[in-house]
Amino acid sequence: NAGVTQTPKFHILKIGQSMTLQCTQDMNHNYMYWYRQDPGMGLKLIYYSVGAGITDKGEVPNGYNVSRSTTEDFPLRLELAAPSQTSVYFCASKPGTYEQYFGPGTRLTVT
Amino acid sequence: GQQVMQIPQYQHVQEGEDFTTYCNSSTTLSNIQWYKQRPGGHPVFLIQLVKSGEVKKQKRLTFQFGEAKKNSSLHITATQTTDVGTYFCAGSANAGGTSYGKLTFGQGTILTVHP
Repeated sequence: NAGVTQTPKFHILKIGQSMTLQCTQDMNHNYMYWYRQDPGMGLKLIYYSVGAGITDKGEVPNGYNVSRSTTEDFPLRLELAAPSQTSVYFCASKPGTYEQYFGPGTRLTVT
Repeated sequence: GQQVMQIPQYQHVQEGEDFTTYCNSSTTLSNIQWYKQRPGGHPVFLIQLVKSGEVKKQKRLTFQFGEAKKNSSLHITATQTTDVGTYFCAGSANAGGTSYGKLTFGQGTILTVHP
């Protein structure tokens, strides 16, 4: 199993542009999550999904959108990127039990 | 909303010294998890505590969950250079229903171990 994979690893985005961060898991986990990590701030939950077709907002959803058309994929869409969205983005998945499995992250710079 | 505070933010130790990080929640938790993130890496699950007053050990690591289920600690005995990284606590609160596994993370403690 590849686990949780994320693309791209790094990206530089211009202010006002849009992009999609990809997340795929091959463990057949129902639960998936998107976090952002800023220096010294821990991880903040952006959106989460409890299964295909079901998504909900986390703590910091403004400026982001998600979809979950399949169990495997949970893309995160940034619309009209702002410098405040410069961060490291982690996708995670979870089976019915409690442990979350994180992907390697996407380092995004908005400039 | 729920807040999880973690102290200290940084800790520098000499190899062989002990290390402790503390986690406090503004609300009662249903469970607390601990994750380790190596520099440049992603968080990796260490353990989950569920019961009031629970203590769990993993080799040199000891995890505690407070009696009121609002605080937790991670203690590392005789640190090694392989222990370097950021240690996060993450709490989950049911609030009368299922939390869907949502976690509120502390800010993390960055551990540096000097050989």
